[in-house]
Amino acid sequence: GAVVSQHPSWVICKSGTSVKIECRSLDFQATTMFWYRQFPKQSLMLMATSNEGSKATYEQGVEKDKFLINHASLTLSTLTVTSAHPEDSSFYICSAYWVRKTEAFFGQGTRLTVV
Amino acid sequence: AQSVAQPEDQVNVAEGNPLTVKCTYSVSGNPYLFWYVQYPNRGLQFLLKYITGDNLVKGSYGFEAEFNKSQTSFHLKKPSALVSDSALYFCAVRRPSYFNKFYFGSGTKLNVKP
Repeated sequence: GAVVSQHPSWVICKSGTSVKIECRSLDFQATTMFWYRQFPKQSLMLMATSNEGSKATYEQGVEKDKFLINHASLTLSTLTVTSAHPEDSSFYICSAYWVRKTEAFFGQGTRLTVV
Repeated sequence: AQSVAQPEDQVNVAEGNPLTVKCTYSVSGNPYLFWYVQYPNRGLQFLLKYITGDNLVKGSYGFEAEFNKSQTSFHLKKPSALVSDSALYFCAVRRPSYFNKFYFGSGTKLNVKP
């Protein structure tokens, strides 16, 4: 099956710093990638839809200046959490949509802890 | 508004017994339906999907799901549960649209006891 690699798997950073999370589709091209946030014991909350070569579309209530998304190529999307605060600590999951399979394939997630 | 409901936060079943995890949806048009499983601190793994055709869909690890259009349901089933099936299960729907956006249910924790 298709592989989506998310890096890093976990990261600890200090308040006020920025953290970049990468999402790569290893064996297919993804014109559309999604970024989700998951709070403990809760479902995935869609943060934004990332389209290759254009600006991301953010869901209501998600700060686009805080969560910077870049989709520079058909196999890579990045999420940068800027000026991180402890309340940004969460589990972030990306997914890449493979049109031919009509399926979204998910990365393994990134556990972000801001101290 | 599009929505997905998983009415049970948790399902407990004994190993070897059949299991059912419920999902209902409210999505306009003819949605695509999915089930994913998540193990602790891991991403979601695809189990199965329904696009069109036979209402009974077979997926990975012996799971299957039945699409019922009149009841707008897509319940996940397995004839004989394993302890290793214990995980968090998410139902998701996608409305064929430009953004191909997925809507997830709240998740159901499946506990299979020996």
